[in-house]
Amino acid sequence: GAVVSQHPSWVICKSGTSVKIECRSLDFQATTMFWYRQFPKQSLMLMATSNEGSKATYEQGVEKDKFLINHASLTLSTLTVTSAHPEDSSFYICSAAGTSLKETQYFGPGTRLLVL
Amino acid sequence: LAKTTQPISMDSYEGQEVNITCSHNNIATNDYITWYQQFPSQGPRFIIQGYKTKVTNEVASLFIPADRKSSTLSLPRVSLSDTAVYYCLVGDIDYGQNFVFGPGTRLSVLP
Repeated sequence: GAVVSQHPSWVICKSGTSVKIECRSLDFQATTMFWYRQFPKQSLMLMATSNEGSKATYEQGVEKDKFLINHASLTLSTLTVTSAHPEDSSFYICSAAGTSLKETQYFGPGTRLLVL
Repeated sequence: LAKTTQPISMDSYEGQEVNITCSHNNIATNDYITWYQQFPSQGPRFIIQGYKTKVTNEVASLFIPADRKSSTLSLPRVSLSDTAVYYCLVGDIDYGQNFVFGPGTRLSVLP
């Protein structure tokens, strides 16, 4: 149980385009979802926290107009990187937590984004 | 949010027991302690979680002293496939607190 999926697993896009990444909780209801970004050889950096039906809370330094997060249902959250640039190339990971899982968040497999 | 401190790296040999200690001096009453394992280009994988005393599952044990200011992840008889980065996280999801990742501990298991 507690499986989280992400789609796509990798994406290559041209600079200036927008990319949408989906995060789904497959066997539980995720009241809270988190989006992280990870650069090579570095730790995960939290970008934002979203609760179902509410606006996301962004970490300091993360542009909310550039990284659009939608958490419209208890099983789906999306991250849209708008007008992507090469410096946005990174590994994006989502995680989900639900009341049935007590204090645990479960992570998706990640999405590798390469902006050319 | 409680800040965590772990060793940056550790080396071990196959078959040995590995103990990774995490310091979290500012842990709050409602905070749980959770450990994750991450392989390159993969999302972190849940290992174990605890609040106090000792917790054991099929892959690891977690020791938490009474003051909860530290915790120790114990991996029995490691194998080469346990080479990964291990993260200790402290937080309280129920209050909408996120889990902030520190640099983690890079464990290298040698043959």
